[in-house]
Amino acid sequence: RKEVEQDPGPFNVPEGATVAFNCTYSNSASQSFFWYRQDCRKEPKLLMSVYSSGNEDGRFTAQLNRASQYISLLIRDSKLSDSATYLCVVNIGNQGGKLIFGQGTELSVKP
Amino acid sequence: GAGVSQSPSNKVTEKGKDVELRCDPISGHTALYWYRQSLGQGLEFLIYFQGNSAPDKSGLPSDRFSAERTGGSVSTLTIQRTQQEDSAVYLCASNHLQGYEQYFGPGTRLTVT
Repeated sequence: RKEVEQDPGPFNVPEGATVAFNCTYSNSASQSFFWYRQDCRKEPKLLMSVYSSGNEDGRFTAQLNRASQYISLLIRDSKLSDSATYLCVVNIGNQGGKLIFGQGTELSVKP
Repeated sequence: GAGVSQSPSNKVTEKGKDVELRCDPISGHTALYWYRQSLGQGLEFLIYFQGNSAPDKSGLPSDRFSAERTGGSVSTLTIQRTQQEDSAVYLCASNHLQGYEQYFGPGTRLTVT
């Protein structure tokens, strides 16, 4: 079993749609959680950290359920520019430690 | 300010040759990481340097892979006797000692023919 598993993609949605990505992690010692975004043939960039209480940044909402070892990302009112691969990422261990990446879910937003 | 830089951006090599990939982290970042991403695959952790501590080499796939970080700054990832399965994008990242976000470089695309 992979340490971090994500919904298989791709997701093809029209502009303005709401899309949800799901992710599960297997290591209960996981301490920090993130969503990264990776555009085609580019490096990953941090989209947002995920906090236990859930957090929102504009159209993006992240949720964490430690009991279920589940992370989610919701994108509302999707834009063409949201098209990318979304990576669920977990840090196991101390601060600054290595990151474990999910396989990524590709999102394509169409006009 | 300058981000993480990597060189070369692309490298084509023949099977069996050695290659060296370079990473310049963001100035002042004490932690440096190497990952690789194969075609259609997720990012795979390779090695992690944190200050003067012994590096975490747990992700290196074989003893053909090694890395060093000189002076707590620049790092070099060396792959000896390259194989076709080593073809991938090799990504370097860095962050502060107390920070979580890792800043990635643009990667080196390695092709072994």
